[in-house]
Amino acid sequence: GIQVEQSPPDLILQEGANSTLRCNFSDSVNNLQWFHQNPWGQLINLFYIPSGTKQNGRLSATTVATERYSLLYISSSQTTDSGVYFCAGGFQGAQKLVFGQGTRLTINP
Amino acid sequence: DVKVTQSSRYLVKRTGEKVFLECVQDMDHENMFWYRQDPGLGLRLIYFSYDVKMKEKGDIPEGYSVSREKKERFSLILESASTNQTSMYLCASSPRALPNYGYTFGSGTRLTVV
Repeated sequence: GIQVEQSPPDLILQEGANSTLRCNFSDSVNNLQWFHQNPWGQLINLFYIPSGTKQNGRLSATTVATERYSLLYISSSQTTDSGVYFCAGGFQGAQKLVFGQGTRLTINP
Repeated sequence: DVKVTQSSRYLVKRTGEKVFLECVQDMDHENMFWYRQDPGLGLRLIYFSYDVKMKEKGDIPEGYSVSREKKERFSLILESASTNQTSMYLCASSPRALPNYGYTFGSGTRLTVV
């Protein structure tokens, strides 16, 4: 079946560091989204980015649809960035999403 | 901002009970979804709906049913709760039209079946 793979599974950094999270998908997507799940379980939508690059403050994301991957960049990390980051892909026009397993990011003060 | 509200944050039910999980969104979104999240298994789609009175099975529909009588409300029903349905349940909604299919999630319901 369709696969969404994220790497790395875990990432531990010091406050102020930069990080890059990767998402690979096994088929073409026309709906690619990044989410942050905070320690209380709330999932927040960071980006809807089926292609191209978007930026929102210290976060940016790039999707290269032809090569089937997306990257999430976090600059100048803060402890509040800790949590699990998920990417999710929708395929062939379907608006339902398949989620990756997530990257657990821990930012230490 | 879109708000997706799930009726309970924590719920404890007994095996065999019929359980209703309610989800309400306030931004006129067409699409609504129910996922469950388990450690090591990630988020898995149970059911989704593209319109009122419309429903589609997701990847793990067994033991669940849904109801969407009004556009803003999407209910997940556990017909006869079992311990393997202990999980975090997440509801989401999204618009159906471009330019942005972005999901908005509720805060989740942590269900324990004893």
